[in-house]
Amino acid sequence: DTAVSQTPKYLVTQMGNDKSIKCEQNLGHDTMYWYKQDSKKFLKIMFSYNNKELIINETVPNRFSPKSPDKAHLNLHINSLELGDSAVYFCASSLGDEKLFFGSGTQLSVL
Amino acid sequence: RKEVEQDPGPFNVPEGATVAFNCTYSNSASQSFFWYRQDCRKEPKLLMSVYSSGNEDGRFTAQLNRASQYISLLIRDSKLSDSATYLCVVTRYNNNDMRFGAGTRLTVKP
Repeated sequence: DTAVSQTPKYLVTQMGNDKSIKCEQNLGHDTMYWYKQDSKKFLKIMFSYNNKELIINETVPNRFSPKSPDKAHLNLHINSLELGDSAVYFCASSLGDEKLFFGSGTQLSVL
Repeated sequence: RKEVEQDPGPFNVPEGATVAFNCTYSNSASQSFFWYRQDCRKEPKLLMSVYSSGNEDGRFTAQLNRASQYISLLIRDSKLSDSATYLCVVTRYNNNDMRFGAGTRLTVKP
């Protein structure tokens, strides 16, 4: 069973479109995250939720809106996609102690 | 200054070599430290935690120097399968806020 699963794996879309990436974890973790890895491979935290409550919100454009319907899910909705949004987006979860468990990533390409 | 800094490499070493990576962090209040490994086009995975007293896991040794604010990873007897990007991770204020370095690319050659 996949511990942290995110869909879709690949997402190709036009500028200006709105898209969502879904993430689910079956580990019973309280904390979930979204990270963005750009073309230079730098992994940067975007958001963190603990028990459905937003606890970290980095300097991310308002076009990015996370939603956590329950503690096992953290979805990412992106409005008005721009070329610079092209990256790999990783969902992760943890018990808040140490180990981050990552999903396999969503490669977003904005054309 | 970046919060977590690493030499991006690449480090190209022959099999059997010993290689060391360093990572510096800027926040003296940082509590926890880790090394993650990321293979090409894959997600990062925890390699090992880094403890104040230093710790070893097989061929891998991690050390922490709080006074100088750096952590290190030593890999002995490098294997081809060690080829990957090694990411230094530091928690900012609590374990819910983990910051990654840009990674050091290692290639082990036959």
